[in-house]
Amino acid sequence: GAVVSQHPSRVICKSGTSVKIECRSLDFQATTMFWYRQFPKQSLMLMATSNEGSKATYEQGVEKDKFLINHASLTLSTLTVTSAHPEDSSFYICSARDLAGDSGEQFFGPGTRLTVL
Amino acid sequence: GQNIDQPTEMTATEGAIVQINCTYQTSGFNGLFWYQQHAGEAPTFLSYNVLDGLEEKGRFSSFLSRSKGYSYLLLKELQMKDSASYLCAVRDSNYQLIWGAGTKLIIKP
Repeated sequence: GAVVSQHPSRVICKSGTSVKIECRSLDFQATTMFWYRQFPKQSLMLMATSNEGSKATYEQGVEKDKFLINHASLTLSTLTVTSAHPEDSSFYICSARDLAGDSGEQFFGPGTRLTVL
Repeated sequence: GQNIDQPTEMTATEGAIVQINCTYQTSGFNGLFWYQQHAGEAPTFLSYNVLDGLEEKGRFSSFLSRSKGYSYLLLKELQMKDSASYLCAVRDSNYQLIWGAGTKLIIKP
């Protein structure tokens, strides 16, 4: 099946610093990637939809200046959490849609656990 | 508004069968997905239904009734490793995935 990688898997940073998370589709091209956030014991919350070569579409309530998304190629999207604060501590998961598949299924990366001290 | 309902938690016995229900109200319908998510891990794909009926894949089956806005995931011959959260998601008319809150399944020996 299609593989999506995410890096880093875990990051601990000080408050006020910026953190970049990479999401790569390894064996397929993904014109669309999605970024989710999941707090403990809660469901996935879509943050933004990232389209290759264009600006990301952010969900209501998600600050686009705080969560910078760059989708520079068909296999790479990055999420940068700028000036991170403890309330940004969460599990960040990316997914990529394989348009070549019958269902346009989303394949998920393994997630990045961010802890802001 | 858009809404996906599924039970918060279910308990079942190893070796038994369990059915996890999902009802939905969305703006348009372009398929329903079931995902499994173990604690601290990303979701993994289980099944996809776009037409009415039952899709069987090994120990797991998923059923869809579009007229009723209803789906279920059936897990047979339960194993301890099946303890996880099961997420129902519907793709709406904009091809966005609308997620349910997930059902935590606890398997007891």
